[in-house]
Amino acid sequence: DAGVTQSPTHLIKTRGQQVTLRCSPKSGHDTVSWYQQALGQGPQFIFQYYEEEERQRGNFPDRFSGHQFPNYSSELNVNALLLGDSALYLCASSPGHSSYNEQFFGPGTRLTVL
Amino acid sequence: GQNIDQPTEMTATEGAIVQINCTYQTSGFNGLFWYQQHAGEAPTFLSYNVLDGLEEKGRFSSFLSRSKGYSYLLLKELQMKDSASYLCAAPNSGYSTLTFGKGTMLLVSP
Repeated sequence: DAGVTQSPTHLIKTRGQQVTLRCSPKSGHDTVSWYQQALGQGPQFIFQYYEEEERQRGNFPDRFSGHQFPNYSSELNVNALLLGDSALYLCASSPGHSSYNEQFFGPGTRLTVL
Repeated sequence: GQNIDQPTEMTATEGAIVQINCTYQTSGFNGLFWYQQHAGEAPTFLSYNVLDGLEEKGRFSSFLSRSKGYSYLLLKELQMKDSASYLCAAPNSGYSTLTFGKGTMLLVSP
């Protein structure tokens, strides 16, 4: 049973560019959440998708957008990249979106913005 | 909003016991999670407490006091592989998404 998978593993972009990160949830999970983790910090919640809709959003600007597909996989898009967007981007899936559902994390995508 | 506080770093010796504390202020309470994260890897689930008291899982135990807004993770018989960041996290407003503390970096030395 494959866990949460993310692609690519690493990515280098320059300021102003756009990036798309991808996530496939754990089998049987229908809810996907995205987190940004800067070096030395805890993960910060970006948004959550359930039934192909954004259900909850953290304190991130509109440059961060996402999508969920009918097979529950998800994309995170970031436009007009800034140096401060350099971070580990984590995808987490859960079998539902209530507070009692444990989140399973993927290995992350390391984004470097130059 | 939610606020979670934990120490930045701790050091301990192999074979010893260490307690990592976490204090929280949340809008509504829906339990508290502990995750372990090795450098460059994904966080992995350790425990979830929703009721007061101590829950034991092998070498790891987690304690919760809702009235005090306080939790701790207890690691016994420390091993070198326990060197990692330990993250305390609370669910957001009834959702499965989490607000994390900044993490406690634990260094286990021989």
